[in-house]
Amino acid sequence: DTGVSQNPRHKITKRGQNVTFRCDPISEHNRLYWYRQTLGQGPEFLTYFQNEAQLEKSRLLSDRFSAERPKGSFSTLEIQRTEQGDSAMYLCASSLVSADTQYFGPGTRLTVL
Amino acid sequence: AQSVTQLGSHVSVSEGALVLLRCNYSSSVPPYLFWYVQYPNQGLQLLLKYTSAATLVKGINGFEAEFKKSETSFHLTKPSAHMSDAAEYFCAVSDPVGGTSYGKLTFGQGTILTVHP
Repeated sequence: DTGVSQNPRHKITKRGQNVTFRCDPISEHNRLYWYRQTLGQGPEFLTYFQNEAQLEKSRLLSDRFSAERPKGSFSTLEIQRTEQGDSAMYLCASSLVSADTQYFGPGTRLTVL
Repeated sequence: AQSVTQLGSHVSVSEGALVLLRCNYSSSVPPYLFWYVQYPNQGLQLLLKYTSAATLVKGINGFEAEFKKSETSFHLTKPSAHMSDAAEYFCAVSDPVGGTSYGKLTFGQGTILTVHP
């Protein structure tokens, strides 16, 4: 059990560029969650997968955001045409369906200039 | 809709003093409740959780929390603060999905704990 990993840890981009983040959950965890955390706030739910199916998306997830989990293992979160308001820490978490505890990765900090 | 309120965005205590971080929740069904801790530039680490068993829950690093349904509260305490407890603490609630498993977390705004020598 190596924990949840996220790459990259930091990303600096210019407004209007596309960025993609990757999350590798704990092996055999069939649920994977994405959250966004802005400075001074608690994490906010974005979306989650059970295996490869995306079961829920928050209204925070605009059309510029897309997430995938193609084989039910790792997941990617893409932001198109980034805006300064997208600057935040993007957190990934995983869990078993049968369990109540989510385990968080270290996050990817996005800075949009 | 479920929500979480953490009273006090900053709490400052002396080393060895009692730590009390307040959390109130709203939920239409019996919730699961969690406290997470976040150190600078790191992800969230689970401190403890309430999942409808004992109302007094003990966690790691000497922390504990008591679920009080009548007060809709889940306050976090530690009898004696240590310098290493300085961090940001988040209370979170999870509602059941489809009456079975529990899903997304709704977090409070966080409380930054400062410990003075």
